[in-house]
Amino acid sequence: AQTVTQSQPEMSVQEAETVTLSCTYDTSESDYYLFWYKQPPSRQMILVIRQEAYKQQNATENRFSVNFQKAAKSFSLKISDSQLGDAAMYFCAYSGNTPLVFGKGTRLSVIA
Amino acid sequence: NAGVTQTPKFQVLKTGQSMTLQCAQDMNHEYMSWYRQDPGMGLRLIHYSVGAGITDQGEVPNGYNVSRSTTEDFPLRLLSAAPSQTSVYFCASRQGNQPQHFGDGTRLSIL
Repeated sequence: AQTVTQSQPEMSVQEAETVTLSCTYDTSESDYYLFWYKQPPSRQMILVIRQEAYKQQNATENRFSVNFQKAAKSFSLKISDSQLGDAAMYFCAYSGNTPLVFGKGTRLSVIA
Repeated sequence: NAGVTQTPKFQVLKTGQSMTLQCAQDMNHEYMSWYRQDPGMGLRLIHYSVGAGITDQGEVPNGYNVSRSTTEDFPLRLLSAAPSQTSVYFCASRQGNQPQHFGDGTRLSIL
């Protein structure tokens, strides 16, 4: 079964600085997708970024980018120019031939 | 489009009571799933469906039943509620490998 590991339960970053959230996964599949979701205190699950495993180019969405290392099964999220609104739980997730599998999450605090 | 609609948003039950959490999507998505979210545990899959009439168990299925009689609806039933089922429940849907759409969640407390 696929597993997703987020080794940082909590992280903090100064406003305007850059922070990287870690994620590793385990799978025997060759074709899959990886996601980062943001969950603010409102409880909504918001898609931040998506990466197709067959694409070598790392996905970017404005201030959010990933470092996808397929051989190492690593999928980290970099947030640049951090803003107060980035404070939330962040979940890494894997999707292959099974429903979405989530990591346990990283709580990100942004310090003004 | 309303997306994924979950009802109710909040519910308090007594141990042993039964109830159904409703989930509906209007995007004609084939995949639908139920997750529970507990502190420090992330989102864990309860049951999922790959189409009308087809359901399967996830990671934590005990104490829950589902059915998928239509593409749109995927209710989650608690037959005899237990305090261990106190949690936040999310319904989600997707089409193929497109990103999953989530409902707003149901906070369920069982006394």
